[in-house]
Amino acid sequence: GNSVTQMEGPVTLSEEAFLTINCTYTATGYPSLFWYVQYPGEGLQLLLKATKADDKGSNKGFEATYRKETTSFHLEKGSVQVSDSAVYFCAQGAAGNKLTFGGGTRVLVKP
Amino acid sequence: SQTIHQWPATLVQPVGSPLSLECTVEGTSNPNLYWYRQAAGRGLQLLFYSVGIGQISSEVPQNLSASRPQDRQFILSSKKLLLSDSGFYLCAWARGEASGNTIYFGEGSWLTVV
Repeated sequence: GNSVTQMEGPVTLSEEAFLTINCTYTATGYPSLFWYVQYPGEGLQLLLKATKADDKGSNKGFEATYRKETTSFHLEKGSVQVSDSAVYFCAQGAAGNKLTFGGGTRVLVKP
Repeated sequence: SQTIHQWPATLVQPVGSPLSLECTVEGTSNPNLYWYRQAAGRGLQLLFYSVGIGQISSEVPQNLSASRPQDRQFILSSKKLLLSDSGFYLCAWARGEASGNTIYFGEGSWLTVV
């Protein structure tokens, strides 16, 4: 079945450091891929998405490229801020617009 | 613009008591609706989804049920809560069923069963 695997956290960084969160998926065909972010005490918000191979999603300085060769959708940001501290979820879309999520990666950015 | 609200935001319930979480969507019609659960230290799991009034699909066997009495209202219920029902419950909506459509989440409801 479909699944999403992302690196386990927590990831602790200093402000202005480079962030990478790895995400790989297994699926039949080419699903849409998403990154959602959950700030402390809040629900999930869409961060970015890509709907086909080689697409790059970007938002708030974050980027992720849909790589069908490696079935990956790694999230990157060149210079993180304290306000980026959150839990990040990778997900893939399936029929019925249902999402399959990875386990989430907690990121803590220290000043 | 579209909005989604769910309530209550937090609740503490004893084992064996009933549960009702309510979710409403405004600003759109005939949305797909979803209930997800995030158990402590774990990822998100899809519990139910609905493509229309009275149409509910269950993704995993469990102690919970869902209902959609109106187009933009989605209710999560239980007759008798278990300790394992504790978690963070998220309602969500999306337009249509295309896999690339964005899913929008509510604020979430924290349930602690004691």
